[in-house]
Amino acid sequence: NAGVTQTPKFQVLKTGQSMTLQCAQDMNHNSMYWYRQDPGMGLRLIYYSASEGTTDKGEVPNGYNVSRLNKREFSLRLESAAPSQTSVYFCASSEVGGSPSDTQYFGPGTRLTVL
Amino acid sequence: AQSVTQLGSHVSVSEGALVLLRCNYSSSVPPYLFWYVQYPNQGLQLLLKYTSAATLVKGINGFEAEFKKSETSFHLTKPSAHMSDAAEYFCAVSDHSSSASKIIFGSGTRLSIRP
Repeated sequence: NAGVTQTPKFQVLKTGQSMTLQCAQDMNHNSMYWYRQDPGMGLRLIYYSASEGTTDKGEVPNGYNVSRLNKREFSLRLESAAPSQTSVYFCASSEVGGSPSDTQYFGPGTRLTVL
Repeated sequence: AQSVTQLGSHVSVSEGALVLLRCNYSSSVPPYLFWYVQYPNQGLQLLLKYTSAATLVKGINGFEAEFKKSETSFHLTKPSAHMSDAAEYFCAVSDHSSSASKIIFGSGTRLSIRP
């Protein structure tokens, strides 16, 4: 049982390049999330998927797109990377049920630098 | 709308001393509250959560938190700090605005332990 896995662990991009961050969970969770973490700002929600086939914007969606490929996988795409997108990105999933008290389980993160 | 405020971006205590990390919340509905911990270069993991069953919540690694509605607080404590407690701690509150289990994070408190 691997939990939540993310690839890659590290990435360096040049301004304007594109890339996709991959996330997968093996806990049969319905909901999945993408966050970015910046110093002094906690975690901010980029996009989330309440269930397979649905996606919604979070607090900071500009410059990103997502795909909920199936129940296990939720990818985040940067179409044209900008230096402001330099951050650590975390994927998470939450327990079946969709309750506000559900625990979220986090992946190990992707550290992205945009030059 | 829901929000959390963590008082003190950095707390330093001596090994064996009391740990107190402060969190105040704002919520228009009865909240669910969480404390997550992030060890260096890792993802977040749940320490404990309040789901209205009991106001004093015990978590992993000897941590506990008390929900005080009158003070809108959910402070995290541990009687005796250990070197392994050095990490960043995030308080979070449930967001009831969607069908997903969205939560809103505070900006985090970095805990350092002095030998």
